[in-house]
Amino acid sequence: EAGVTQFPSHSVIEKGQTVTLRCDPISGHDNLYWYRRVMGKEIKFLLHFVKESKQDESGMPNNRFLAERTGGTYSTLKVQPAELEDSGVYFCASSHPSGRGYEQYFGPGTRLTVT
Amino acid sequence: AQSVTQPDIHITVSEGASLELRCNYSYGATPYLFWYVQSPGQGLQLLLKYFSGDTLVQGIKGFEAEFKRSQSSFNLRKPSVHWSDAAEYFCAVGVIYNQGGKLIFGQGTELSVKP
Repeated sequence: EAGVTQFPSHSVIEKGQTVTLRCDPISGHDNLYWYRRVMGKEIKFLLHFVKESKQDESGMPNNRFLAERTGGTYSTLKVQPAELEDSGVYFCASSHPSGRGYEQYFGPGTRLTVT
Repeated sequence: AQSVTQPDIHITVSEGASLELRCNYSYGATPYLFWYVQSPGQGLQLLLKYFSGDTLVQGIKGFEAEFKRSQSSFNLRKPSVHWSDAAEYFCAVGVIYNQGGKLIFGQGTELSVKP
């Protein structure tokens, strides 16, 4: 079974540019989560999809961040325009919809550097 | 508010020595607790979890953790550390709601292993 995949693994952009991160969850996992780790800080929750619906987006920092999950499969996280403080590692995770759905499986992360 | 504290940012132990990583949480209800590990260049891997029942839980790679409600702790232990255990370790509490739940992480503890 393939794990959670994320693309790209690294991205370096200039302040003011746009970046789109992609996450492919484990097949059959209805729950998809985005987290972020800013350097030196803890990993913080951004938002949670159940299929294509946003269940909880309380962690999204501001309206420069837009997450989508069309068709309930892969998800994208767009940052537009990027600011210096957006630099960090963005993790995606997925979990099964029933039973042990609280176990989240993480991807390797996308390291975003805004210069 | 829910929170997780890992008091030790960095720990160094000798190979073969025992290990204990500390984790304290703040959560109003019965917590769902997790330990994840991130090796260099890898994503977060679930080591073990506590949902209910026996307060001593066994995980992968020879790790175990003990849930102590009276101390609000969920410390991770290993009797004999291997060089391959060098990594960053994250404790997390699950905030559970319908159809899933988000994780609140501690700041992480980086483990170095001396030969």
